[in-house]
Amino acid sequence: QSALTQPASVSGSPGQSITISCTGTSSDAGTYNLVSWYQQHPGKAPKFLIYEVSKRPSGVSNRFSGSKSGNTASLTISGLQAEDEADYHCCSYAGSTTLVVFGGGTKLTVL
Amino acid sequence: QVQLVESGGGVVQPGRSLRLSCAASGFTFSSYAMHWVRQAPGKGLEWVAVISYDGSNKYYADSVKGRFTISRDNSKNTLYLQMNSLRDEDTALYYCARDRDGDGYIGWAFDIWGQGTMVTVSS
Repeated sequence: QSALTQPASVSGSPGQSITISCTGTSSDAGTYNLVSWYQQHPGKAPKFLIYEVSKRPSGVSNRFSGSKSGNTASLTISGLQAEDEADYHCCSYAGSTTLVVFGGGTKLTVL
Repeated sequence: QVQLVESGGGVVQPGRSLRLSCAASGFTFSSYAMHWVRQAPGKGLEWVAVISYDGSNKYYADSVKGRFTISRDNSKNTLYLQMNSLRDEDTALYYCARDRDGDGYIGWAFDIWGQGTMVTVSS
């Protein structure tokens, strides 16, 4: 069982927007603004999408955005495209004892 | 270009040891903290360990503490993971990943990933 809770799957049609939630606790995502998101296509390494809750690295499309409210972080993908179909993983710093926790991953299907 | 290439994976019996390597190129390796992250077949990602840019600080997940050792050789631009007392549950694809902060701190996010090296623990 992962420390951060993500839905197993979400789906959307091309052009739509979807949001993937990532629920932690006051020991991780609720306290630290060190939430990051990764996209992983089948058989490929993860790709860096978002860091520090809402910051986008250079080269990442502005269709990807991150936010946080309380213990729950969210990744929103707008203008869904076929190539967005992938697994998405959230991650958070969790303090000096546990250090890093991941979510179980969410499979995005573009209908 | 910026690249990380892992090697050293394989099939090993429970209780045995294995050492993974990660060769870095295309960036100033000695400026970045480096991580190992693993992914069991069909499962999510699990953080394993981190080492600071100069090797002075090392941190581990509870699941590997006391069994795995992370190290680096900045003269060779190479990261290592020594894995001892391997267990069935250590079976996974092991990725090395660069920390996103290149200013001597640990940013706790991973901006560059290798393609991974598979470790299978089985009798």
